[in-house]
Amino acid sequence: GAGVSQSPRYKVTKRGQDVALRCDPISGHVSLYWYRQALGQGPEFLTYFNYEAQQDKSGLPNDRFSAERPEGSISTLTIQRTEQRDSAMYRCASSFQRGGHEQFFGPGTRLTVL
Amino acid sequence: DQQVKQNSPSLSVQEGRISILNCDYTNSMFDYFLWYKKYPAEGPTFLISISSIKDKNEDGRFTVFLNKSAKHLSLHIVPSQPGDSAVYFCAASAQGGSEKLVFGKGMKLTVNP
Repeated sequence: GAGVSQSPRYKVTKRGQDVALRCDPISGHVSLYWYRQALGQGPEFLTYFNYEAQQDKSGLPNDRFSAERPEGSISTLTIQRTEQRDSAMYRCASSFQRGGHEQFFGPGTRLTVL
Repeated sequence: DQQVKQNSPSLSVQEGRISILNCDYTNSMFDYFLWYKKYPAEGPTFLISISSIKDKNEDGRFTVFLNKSAKHLSLHIVPSQPGDSAVYFCAASAQGGSEKLVFGKGMKLTVNP
């Protein structure tokens, strides 16, 4: 079956531009998570949704970052007015339900801000 | 402040021998622990997990041990195979496991033929 997909796989943008990163979770998965991973580090939590409700956005670095999941399936992470420090791998994960279940990760979007 | 620590950046073992990957954590609220394996250019893949009510979980060649008093867990791979060569991440969560995961920095395992 299809796993978590993310698009684009690579995004190069100029400082100050807005970017939108898309995540398509595994069909039927209730929870969707966004992480950011710097080189040589583990993924770092940004935000997560149960269905369409954003449950925790405590990991979003600042108000330039936002995420939505309007229909409880596909999610978009938007970064406004990008800065060079936003360059990283952005990973999406989904899980079947809450409580004791593993998260399945997508391949990530490599964002480079010039 | 790293809540999940993988203090060894790399490990090299011979095929057929045991690989032991270690992980320490500081947050006593963590109640679910997971190991992920990551190959280059791919996302992390779930490997094995353990709840804090257990001290051992086994799945084929992979066994995870949890020592709550020491806030330490380890992943044992035996026998190790060249295909096990990857970066391994330890992760932890509170409130049952499908909340946010806190990851360690990862450890690169190389299994030599």
